[in-house]
Amino acid sequence: GEDVEQSLFLSVREGDSSVINCTYTDSSSTYLYWYKQEPGAGLQLLTYIFSNMDMKQDQRLTVLLNKKDKHLSLRIADTQTGDSAIYFCAERDQAGTALIFGKGTTLSVSS
Amino acid sequence: EAQVTQNPRYLITVTGKKLTVTCSQNMNHEYMSWYRQDPGLGLRQIYYSMNVEVTDKGDVPEGYKVSRKEKRNFPLILESPSPNQTSLYFCASSSSTSGTEAFFGQGTRLTVV
Repeated sequence: GEDVEQSLFLSVREGDSSVINCTYTDSSSTYLYWYKQEPGAGLQLLTYIFSNMDMKQDQRLTVLLNKKDKHLSLRIADTQTGDSAIYFCAERDQAGTALIFGKGTTLSVSS
Repeated sequence: EAQVTQNPRYLITVTGKKLTVTCSQNMNHEYMSWYRQDPGLGLRQIYYSMNVEVTDKGDVPEGYKVSRKEKRNFPLILESPSPNQTSLYFCASSSSTSGTEAFFGQGTRLTVV
């Protein structure tokens, strides 16, 4: 079945760039997503990328997609303490009826 | 403001006592779904609904029921809760299954003792 893998932790210093990586298994996925979850809060859609794109930039966020390697990354430029959260990578399942989530990467930003 | 609203946010209950977690969206979305989030397991889909009166099982439907009588509401029902249903629950909605966005509620933290 479909699976999404992420590293569990990332620690960076304020002002540095953060790169969160994700691998997925379903090559037919049309959309891939990044969500952010702050403590005690729900999931916030950060950005998404359509499968025919290689890169998408949205202010401080850059998403890179390598379809050949089924690898997705999220780069956060000039990381701030407010970026500390859990980041989830997700893809739509083949039926299109569910999002398949990774286990989440906890980003810790120190000042 | 576009939002998905879940209630309650926190609930502690006893084994076997029926409960309902409500979910409502104000975006006229056709598609709604429920997920549970557990440490080390990430988020897993419980049930989904493509439209009014159309529901189907997700990956982990055992012990849960849902209904979709109106487009805006999608309650999650636990007829006889058990401790293994202690979890963080999220409701989500989107305009279609291939939609570019999915809105999530704030979550309901359920503890079954």
